[in-house]
Amino acid sequence: EAGVAQSPRYKIIEKRQSVAFWCNPISGHATLYWYQQILGQGPKLLIQFQNNGVVDDSQLPKDRFSAERLKGVDSTLKIQPAKLEDSAVYLCASSLPSGGTWGGANVLTFGAGSRLTVL
Amino acid sequence: AQSVTQPDIHITVSEGASLELRCNYSYGATPYLFWYVQSPGQGLQLLLKYFSGDTLVQGIKGFEAEFKRSQSSFNLRKPSVHWSDAAEYFCAVGSNYQLIWGAGTKLIIKP
Repeated sequence: EAGVAQSPRYKIIEKRQSVAFWCNPISGHATLYWYQQILGQGPKLLIQFQNNGVVDDSQLPKDRFSAERLKGVDSTLKIQPAKLEDSAVYLCASSLPSGGTWGGANVLTFGAGSRLTVL
Repeated sequence: AQSVTQPDIHITVSEGASLELRCNYSYGATPYLFWYVQSPGQGLQLLLKYFSGDTLVQGIKGFEAEFKRSQSSFNLRKPSVHWSDAAEYFCAVGSNYQLIWGAGTKLIIKP
């Protein structure tokens, strides 16, 4: 099966500019995640979608970050305006629902990531 | 609060030697436990998971991990590492609709 597709792989922008990342999950995966991974750290969940509804966006800096998942398939993550501290790899992942109430049992399939450098 | 600790930021092992990466967690209930691997420039890939049952679980690429409830640990092992195992390894705990991630351990392989 095709994996999780992300683009662009690399992006360099200046602070205060905007950027958008795109993700196409594995076909049939209802749950989609955006993670931010800063060098030397584990992934940090930014937002989780179930179909086209938001399950968790508690760690999304909503003053500058936005994400949408129209039609429950592709998703776009936008940063506007970017800050230096936004330099990171943005990982998209998708999963089937695990069943029951324990979303923490979901097995995630990750894309290769989009590396953002803010100058 | 739930947390995951990977005490070793990086570990250097000779090719062919055995490997153990440590993971300790803090969680009130029986957790779902995962190990993911991230090769340079790649996304994360699931190595293995523990949900219930046999506390010794086998994964891909010859890895295994053992859940020890009394020690709140889920250490990853491999009897003989290969140069291709050089990567960063992340332990994660499934808790209340989300995963809690460790900071990762970078594995360096000496020829």
